[in-house]
Amino acid sequence: NAGVMQNPRHLVRRRGQEARLRCSPMKGHSHVYWYRQLPEEGLKFMVYLQKENIIDESGMPKERFSAEFPKEGPSILRIQQVVRGDSAAYFCASSPQGRPSYEQYFGPGTRLTVT
Amino acid sequence: DQQVKQNSPSLSVQEGRISILNCDYTNSMFDYFLWYKKYPAEGPTFLISISSIKDKNEDGRFTVFLNKSAKHLSLHIVPSQPGDSAVYFCAASAYNDMRFGAGTRLTVKP
Repeated sequence: NAGVMQNPRHLVRRRGQEARLRCSPMKGHSHVYWYRQLPEEGLKFMVYLQKENIIDESGMPKERFSAEFPKEGPSILRIQQVVRGDSAAYFCASSPQGRPSYEQYFGPGTRLTVT
Repeated sequence: DQQVKQNSPSLSVQEGRISILNCDYTNSMFDYFLWYKKYPAEGPTFLISISSIKDKNEDGRFTVFLNKSAKHLSLHIVPSQPGDSAVYFCAASAYNDMRFGAGTRLTVKP
């Protein structure tokens, strides 16, 4: 049973480009969470999605950031027109049905560097 | 709005001694608490959890204590081992909502 997969592991973008981060949850998990970890800071919640639905996006910046979890395929976190402040590690987590907040399983993260 | 706080960014202990990591929360709706461990360049991994109906949960060398009246929980590691050196995140959960602390970097010296 493969764990949560994220790709790419490292992503370098120039200012103004778009970044697309992918997350495949664990098999059987229908809840996906995205977190951001800035240097020397903890994990900051961004968005919680179920298949085809955004449940909670209270942690997402209002502009340039969007997320989706389609019926088929991985969850995508999209950052348009990246700026240097977007440089961070982005972690995806998944959980099974039921109480989705319990015991989230994390992927290895995508480290985004904006030059 | 930091609902979960880990006030010690780092902690250093000697191998074999006890490590105590602390966490405070503000939201009384949280009813499930977790500790995650994170090594560099890896995602956090679940370590131990506790429900709000309990005040203690033990798993091998790891014990989590919950003081609901003080809105405080702690993770005890005894005896500490060099392989325990990592960043430890405290998390608090209510339905559909989980918040993390900023983490405490534990260093266990041989």
